[in-house]
Amino acid sequence: QKEVEQNSGPLSVPEGAIASLNCTYSDRGSQSFFWYRQYSGKSPELIMFIYSNGDKEDGRFTAQLNKASQYVSLLIRDSQPSDSATYLCAVRATTDSWGKLQFGAGTQVVVTP
Amino acid sequence: DAGVIQSPRHEVTEMGQEVTLRCKPISGHDYLFWYRQTMMRGLELLIYFNNNVPIDDSGMPEDRFSAKMPNASFSTLKIQPSEPRDSAVYFCASSPGEGRYFGEGSWLTVV
Repeated sequence: QKEVEQNSGPLSVPEGAIASLNCTYSDRGSQSFFWYRQYSGKSPELIMFIYSNGDKEDGRFTAQLNKASQYVSLLIRDSQPSDSATYLCAVRATTDSWGKLQFGAGTQVVVTP
Repeated sequence: DAGVIQSPRHEVTEMGQEVTLRCKPISGHDYLFWYRQTMMRGLELLIYFNNNVPIDDSGMPEDRFSAKMPNASFSTLKIQPSEPRDSAVYFCASSPGEGRYFGEGSWLTVV
């Protein structure tokens, strides 16, 4: 079992709609969760991180964390073609050193005009 | 401000040759990370440094790989000898704490 799992997609979303991405993790004690965006041929860039159960909003992005169910999700409101990218979920597992994040394989999002 | 700078951006080399990848982190960042990304294995942490000291090298695949950080503004990742299975994108990232600021990557092809 992979430590961090994501649906690979592609997730097709009409422009203006909400894109919903999910990520599950295996280490129940994990405390820190991150979402990165990676455009094709480019490097990952941090979108946001979340530590506490509940929602955290930043612009059009909302991260949702449910530690009891061991999942973290990312919502993208008012999706734009420029949001078409692969979204990577990353988790800091309790068994790893502080700097080591476990990355999921990523979910490809395609926003169609 | 300049971001993380990596060189070379692209390298094609023959199996058995030595490969050296270079990284200049963002000034003031205490942490430096080397990652490898492939389609099969995704994004993997190879090693990271804190204040120039290697902290966790458990991701370094084997003895053919080595990394150094002689000062706060420079790090190298060396592969000797290189093999075709080392073909990947190698990212360097730096950080003042949480989050990672990635360089543009070094695209390595070993033939």
